[in-house]
Amino acid sequence: QKEVEQDPGPLSVPEGAIVSLNCTYSNSAFQYFMWYRQYSRKGPELLMYTYSSGNKEDGRFTAQVDKSSKYISLFIRDSQPSDSATYLCAVTTYAGNNRKLIWGLGTSLAVNP
Amino acid sequence: GAVVSQHPSWVICKSGTSVKIECRSLDFQATTMFWYRQFPKQSLMLMATSNEGSKATYEQGVEKDKFLINHASLTLSTLTVTSAHPEDSSFYICSASSLAKETQYFGPGTRLLVL
Repeated sequence: QKEVEQDPGPLSVPEGAIVSLNCTYSNSAFQYFMWYRQYSRKGPELLMYTYSSGNKEDGRFTAQVDKSSKYISLFIRDSQPSDSATYLCAVTTYAGNNRKLIWGLGTSLAVNP
Repeated sequence: GAVVSQHPSWVICKSGTSVKIECRSLDFQATTMFWYRQFPKQSLMLMATSNEGSKATYEQGVEKDKFLINHASLTLSTLTVTSAHPEDSSFYICSASSLAKETQYFGPGTRLLVL
């Protein structure tokens, strides 16, 4: 079992739709949970991170963590064509004194005008 | 947030030559920098972790003599691909972090094409 599981999609939605992206993780010791957005041929851009169960909202984006079920989600409201990208979930673990990220495969999202 | 830059953004070189990629943290001191490579439609693969002033820690399967990493200051790390071959063609991305930051901030990536 992979440490972080994410459905790669692709996911295609019409403009204005609510998008739900999800990941599951296997180790309850993971502390921080991140969502990155990556446009084609660009480096990942941090969207949100959280460390506790519950919701965290930033504009049209809401990150949700449920530690009891080891489930993390990203919701995008009023999706726009500019949201078309690959969305990667990641969790933080420690390797010695360094924090390392463990990545999901990424979900490819297309928002159609 | 935090800003990380990479240079060059793309490079084409002949097989057998060496290529150096720079990664800079522009607005914070990065005690730790990470180097990744990414093949098309695949997730990021961590190559190595470098702490300022220390030798880099390489992931299993990554040749440290081929991918030389230097992290000489709190704002600069370099990756040198030595004797590059076509199979080294990939997208190389660095990220930076510090004790004060809970996660990593990524550069824009460098696309390497070895002919």
